[in-house]
Amino acid sequence: AQSVTQLDSQVPVFEEAPVELRCNYSSSVSVYLFWYVQYPNQGLQLLLKYLSGSTLVKGINGFEAEFNKSQTSFHLRKPSVHISDTAEYFCAVTNRDDKIIFGKGTRLHILP
Amino acid sequence: DGGITQSPKYLFRKEGQNVTLSCEQNLNHDAMYWYRQDPGQGLRLIYYSQIVNDFQKGDIAEGYSVSREKKESFPLTVTSAQKNPTAFYLCASSNPNTGELFFGEGSRLTVL
Repeated sequence: AQSVTQLDSQVPVFEEAPVELRCNYSSSVSVYLFWYVQYPNQGLQLLLKYLSGSTLVKGINGFEAEFNKSQTSFHLRKPSVHISDTAEYFCAVTNRDDKIIFGKGTRLHILP
Repeated sequence: DGGITQSPKYLFRKEGQNVTLSCEQNLNHDAMYWYRQDPGQGLRLIYYSQIVNDFQKGDIAEGYSVSREKKESFPLTVTSAQKNPTAFYLCASSNPNTGELFFGEGSRLTVL
């Protein structure tokens, strides 16, 4: 069975500092990986996705993530955060044959 | 624009009343989903439908019902049997090739 672990429930970071949100998954087969962002009282929107090919994936709003098969990780990074990045971030995994599985989310707090 | 439309965005209900949340999509996706979101608990799957006239229970189906009479529509009824209905409800559809989910803006239900 697949599972997703987001290691940090909350991450505080100063504005213009770099950030990394961690995500580990377990799956016995090839996977597709996603990061979604949710702003308050809104639905989730896709930040980026890994389907195949290059392990470094670039998304919207300056975010990127790296797929590491040996460590079963898909950590999300941004070199310099802005106050508008305050949101909750969800990592998700699917193997196409199964339903998508979400992590419990990481709240990113940007400090002035 | 293609997407998922949920209504209403905010809904108040008295105890003992059933309410129906609407979800419409124009993405031509076969599969649709309903999730419930509570603070700190991530997304929990209520019901999903992979094709018209067919649907399956998710992890927390008790106290909820759905129908799928049209490809575009997947309404969710929160019945009086649901003990803690106050929550944020999200509808989604999925890309059949990648499993990527597309979300609506959500409906916030408050029981008075």
